[in-house]
Amino acid sequence: AQSVTQPDIHITVSEGASLELRCNYSYGATPYLFWYVQSPGQGLQLLLKYFSGDTLVQGIKGFEAEFKRSQSSFNLRKPSVHWSDAAEYFCAVGRAGGSEKLVFGKGTKLTVNP
Amino acid sequence: DTEVTQTPKHLVMGMTNKKSLKCEQHMGHRAMYWYKQKAKKPPELMFVYSYEKLSINESVPSRFSPECPNSSLLNLHLHALQPEDSALYLCASSLKGYGSPLHFGNGTRLTVT
Repeated sequence: AQSVTQPDIHITVSEGASLELRCNYSYGATPYLFWYVQSPGQGLQLLLKYFSGDTLVQGIKGFEAEFKRSQSSFNLRKPSVHWSDAAEYFCAVGRAGGSEKLVFGKGTKLTVNP
Repeated sequence: DTEVTQTPKHLVMGMTNKKSLKCEQHMGHRAMYWYKQKAKKPPELMFVYSYEKLSINESVPSRFSPECPNSSLLNLHLHALQPEDSALYLCASSLKGYGSPLHFGNGTRLTVT
């Protein structure tokens, strides 16, 4: 069964600094990979997705992620963080050609210092 | 703005009450989902409807009863809930199920007293 690990429970960065959130997945074939963001009291918003093709994917709000098959990773990056990026970030994996079930990581809470 | 609308935003109910959560989308999506999310935890899948048929039930207690009246609507009927069922209940939809990104509503914050 597929699984997702987000090693960092909480990350604090200064506004304007770069950001990388880590995500490792476990799955035998090529997965579908997603990053979602959740602000307090809100639902989850899709930042970006990887299905196939170019391993560097661009998302909304200036985020990007790189799929590295050899490392089973799908890390999220942003070159310059804004205070409004403070939120909970979830990595998720889906099974290509399989069921509708999406497996979420436990999330990384991002705090942005002024 | 979200394209998946959930009502009500907040709900407080007693353990003997019967209530329903509602979810609506008009994006032409054919898969709809209920998730439960406790504080500081990721969403946990409860049910999936695909083309208006229940395709996944993650061993959810029978006090939660889903219903999909048509391709745009999804309900979750609640009866005899327990205080530990208090959580944020999220509805989501996707174009065609597996592989399609989920579009989430803002959720219903449920408190069981």
